[in-house]
Amino acid sequence: DTGVSQDPRHKITKRGQNVTFRCDPISEHNRLYWYRQTLGQGPEFLTYFQNEAQLEKSRLLSDRFSAERPKGSFSTLEIQRTEQGDSAMYLCASSLMQTVFSEQYFGPGTRLTVT
Amino acid sequence: AQKITQTQPGMFVQEKEAVTLDCTYDTSDQSYGLFWYKQPSSGEMIFLIYQGSYDEQNATEGRYSLNFQKARKSANLVISASQLGDSAMYFCAMREETSGSRLTFGEGTQLTVNP
Repeated sequence: DTGVSQDPRHKITKRGQNVTFRCDPISEHNRLYWYRQTLGQGPEFLTYFQNEAQLEKSRLLSDRFSAERPKGSFSTLEIQRTEQGDSAMYLCASSLMQTVFSEQYFGPGTRLTVT
Repeated sequence: AQKITQTQPGMFVQEKEAVTLDCTYDTSDQSYGLFWYKQPSSGEMIFLIYQGSYDEQNATEGRYSLNFQKARKSANLVISASQLGDSAMYFCAMREETSGSRLTFGEGTQLTVNP
């Protein structure tokens, strides 16, 4: 399978715990994006990387959220001290930097439930 | 103001008929791109079709076509010969040249194809 993969697919955690999600983009894609999707809404942009550099962060990305892409390949998204409002689907996408408007290919998402 | 508006929370269509899903957008950029994604119940976002702001012809991709009316700022998705497998959530999204790499999504339209 050469698509975007995400791990885990589902995560249930207690409020106050830390969680980390992983995303593996399509191998030749140098751009990687994180989005958050709550029930009944469209995805909302969180952050994006070009290679290993984090170039843009949304104001939605509070201090409890951190994302890394250390070698320009896979990326991790960590949420510290989780809150019930963090319950959502976390989507990762990747694209080529061929044109400004290259389509983004999404992974299956990680569904987070904070109890 | 909403950047992407999808006014149809739910749509129903009979198998083999055509259906139009509405999308209007708001931007002051001259250069932008419009995308449609399909999200089945499994959660993965599937790229369907793209239209650039400078493209003079409407985009087509198999059974999908985009009815782009720039002056009205609308980018409606037309699905011809609907199939049962087309039942899913459909999202319209926009990328503006001045907003970096982020996609801004609408709230989606739930399409149900009836046999």
